Amino acid sequence: GENVEQHPSTLSVQEGDSAVIKCTYSDSASNYFPWYKQELGKGPQLIIDIRSNVGEKKDQRIAVTLNKTAKHFSLHITETQPEDSAVYFCAAYTFGNEKLTFGTGTRLTIIP
Amino acid sequence: EPEVTQTPSHQVTQMGQEVILRCVPISNHLYFYWYRQILGQKVEFLVSFYNNEISEKSEIFDDQFSVERPDGSNFTLKIRSTKLEDSAMYFCASSKQGAANEKLFFGSGTQLSVL
Repeated sequence: GENVEQHPSTLSVQEGDSAVIKCTYSDSASNYFPWYKQELGKGPQLIIDIRSNVGEKKDQRIAVTLNKTAKHFSLHITETQPEDSAVYFCAAYTFGNEKLTFGTGTRLTIIP
Repeated sequence: EPEVTQTPSHQVTQMGQEVILRCVPISNHLYFYWYRQILGQKVEFLVSFYNNEISEKSEIFDDQFSVERPDGSNFTLKIRSTKLEDSAMYFCASSKQGAANEKLFFGSGTQLSVL
């Protein structure tokens, strides 16, 4: 089955700087890659996603890149703000299954 | 924005007892899911449910687990005889068209503690 690895497990960034979180996946048939933000006491919330026919997608300060050949994808947050502090999970989905395989999560802390 | 609601937020039970975790998915969604997250670990898929039947389940979802949509609004996860290792945060999720066609909305979770 699919296996998703995520790095780093913790990340501290000065407010205003950029943060990058990286994930790799094992199943070359995976074709959809969402990123979730989990704040304390809440469930994961989708913040951005990318499909396998696209190399990059951007939504304001958040962007995701996908390298299908290398089987890795990354989340980029620019101009970080205190409210970006949370746990971020990457995930992968393989068409034909009805499940997401999640990474291990990255605890992002923005230092004011 | 519509949301998935889960009750209770915390559940404490004795080992061997049955528990039922309840979820109200978003009203026009057709696909329903349970995931769980053991403290400090990744979110893991348990089961997906569509058209009143299980469409996929993981190896975690053994005979002790069952799901039901008893009426038009609720979606429940039952653990028949809880074990210590069932202690985790359980998330319900729903989507309109399935995991890759429409985004998944997650509830805030039920923290299950088995003593």
